[in-house]
Amino acid sequence: EAQVTQNPRYLITVTGKKLTVTCSQNMNHEYMSWYRQDPGLGLRQIYYSMNVEVTDKGDVPEGYKVSRKEKRNFPLILESPSPNQTSLYFCASSLFGIISGETVRGNSPLHFGNGTRLTVT
Amino acid sequence: AQSVAQPEDQVNVAEGNPLTVKCTYSVSGNPYLFWYVQYPNRGLQFLLKYITGDNLVKGSYGFEAEFNKSQTSFHLKKPSALVSDSALYFCAVNFVFGPGTRLSVLP
Repeated sequence: EAQVTQNPRYLITVTGKKLTVTCSQNMNHEYMSWYRQDPGLGLRQIYYSMNVEVTDKGDVPEGYKVSRKEKRNFPLILESPSPNQTSLYFCASSLFGIISGETVRGNSPLHFGNGTRLTVT
Repeated sequence: AQSVAQPEDQVNVAEGNPLTVKCTYSVSGNPYLFWYVQYPNRGLQFLLKYITGDNLVKGSYGFEAEFNKSQTSFHLKKPSALVSDSALYFCAVNFVFGPGTRLSVLP
């Protein structure tokens, strides 16, 4: 079954304790992205990756890191989590993305994982 | 820069009535537009997209959307709403999302 798998589904941690949220897709997609979802703000992009070893900042990258060593995996790393990073996080992938000027465009829909609800106390 | 606006936080409609969820966008060049739906405790699911061609696109679960270039809009529609359509709906241009609209279909 084609899917995006992210783990864990729920995570409670304390301020400053490093954590990693894993994301894996089995569709051979080139484009992968992390979003956070907060009430009233919709989905905001944290980081994205056009392909292996190619990553770039989204709209809200502060406090996050990512890596793309393999095509299927795109982990999200919080080196020193803070309470304002309490949120619902989604990993997503798409067949490809194209850079057009300052815009990243894609005509193939995103496939989403089921989300990770992170609480930082 | 790209941006998406969904002017209504909440839309309420009676079961069997037509529904519309509004979306306007801003992007340079031709837009790639999408609608996604989110059910509780789940990730977003793709509903439909407009890339080029016919301004009226049809998607999953009986939903359709109308692309209007002059008004930079891409409103989601369904002729007859079901209670099971109650969910959070997101409009997107490329990989940029709007704030979402919560649709409640009342029995």
